[in-house]
Amino acid sequence: DGGITQSPKYLFRKEGQNVTLSCEQNLNHDAMYWYRQDPGQGLRLIYYSQIVNDFQKGDIAEGYSVSREKKESFPLTVTSAQKNPTAFYLCASRNRGRKNIQYFGAGTRLSVL
Amino acid sequence: DQQVKQNSPSLSVQEGRISILNCDYTNSMFDYFLWYKKYPAEGPTFLISISSIKDKNEDGRFTVFLNKSAKHLSLHIVPSQPGDSAVYFCAASRAAGNKLTFGGGTRVLVKP
Repeated sequence: DGGITQSPKYLFRKEGQNVTLSCEQNLNHDAMYWYRQDPGQGLRLIYYSQIVNDFQKGDIAEGYSVSREKKESFPLTVTSAQKNPTAFYLCASRNRGRKNIQYFGAGTRLSVL
Repeated sequence: DQQVKQNSPSLSVQEGRISILNCDYTNSMFDYFLWYKKYPAEGPTFLISISSIKDKNEDGRFTVFLNKSAKHLSLHIVPSQPGDSAVYFCAASRAAGNKLTFGGGTRVLVKP
């Protein structure tokens, strides 16, 4: 069945290490998004991509990088430049042409060792 | 600068009663609004949406009201059920845009 798969569910990062969070969708959606949620707060947009090989910075892109080489995949790398990476990371996708309803994966919780 | 605000961080309601969640926005360019429900350690699930050309949209137990002049929307859940206990986020966008702006969420607890 169709959906958005995020992996891993839990991830630990050491100081100075880059880590990559996976997001795969089989909904044939054009646009994909990465959000960060901190405890007790709303979702903040990190990066988004409307089409393959193109992406734009969101509100809090510093310390993160993305790629969009395939329509179904939108991995997020949390670099060592991101000084406060501990958060819940959510990936979403949307079908262009439909109203702006985004569908979310189950999330990855990233913690710093 | 928070463009979408949910001023009540939490709400407690008795099973069977009405839950009313509120959301305010400041950007007059927003013309499409959504509500999402989120359980702990899961992704948000889309609940209901409304376009600015309407002032009400209903789907089963969920109704969203939009007051454009006040830049205010609300979600009514009637009757509330224990399974409705979750965090609810409102979100706003420009219909021609690609991004959603989320509020901070309201945690709802429905007591049996």
